[in-house]
Amino acid sequence: RKEVEQDPGPFNVPEGATVAFNCTYSNSASQSFFWYRQDCRKEPKLLMSVYSSGNEDGRFTAQLNRASQYISLLIRDSKLSDSATYLCVVSSGRRALTFGSGTRLQVQP
Amino acid sequence: DAGVTQSPTHLIKTRGQQVTLRCSPKSGHDTVSWYQQALGQGPQFIFQYYEEEERQRGNFPDRFSGHQFPNYSSELNVNALLLGDSALYLCASSLVLRGDPYEQYFGPGTRLTVT
Repeated sequence: RKEVEQDPGPFNVPEGATVAFNCTYSNSASQSFFWYRQDCRKEPKLLMSVYSSGNEDGRFTAQLNRASQYISLLIRDSKLSDSATYLCVVSSGRRALTFGSGTRLQVQP
Repeated sequence: DAGVTQSPTHLIKTRGQQVTLRCSPKSGHDTVSWYQQALGQGPQFIFQYYEEEERQRGNFPDRFSGHQFPNYSSELNVNALLLGDSALYLCASSLVLRGDPYEQYFGPGTRLTVT
């Protein structure tokens, strides 16, 4: 079983739609959680950290459920520029990041 | 504010050769991590350097080695290249003492092709 599991997609949605991505992790000792965004043939870029209380950054909302070991990302009012691969990431300490394989989002006009 | 830089951007090597990749961390960062990203996969952790020492290592063979210099820059060396080593090699930097939870910032990567 992979440490971080994501639905690979692709998710094809029209502009303006709301889309949700889910991720599960297997290491209960995980302490930090993130969503990264990766455009085709580019490096991953930090989208947001994820906190137990949930957090929001503009059109993006992230939630963490430690009991279920589940992380989510909600994107509201999708833009064409949101098309990318979204990587769920966990860390059990100040060291390695463990990445999921990513969920691909394609926003269509 | 200079971000993470890596060199070279692309590299083609043949099986059995050795390669060295270079990384300069973001200004003010003191920790460098290396990741390998195969096509269609998420990045996989190779190792991390802090204070010029390897602090943690992922599930990679000894053919993969590294170094960190006093100016915090780092090198990744891969010996006896295999076809399966073809991937995007990403360097990420972070600051150990920073209050934010272990956020790492990635460079543009070096795309290695082994033929």
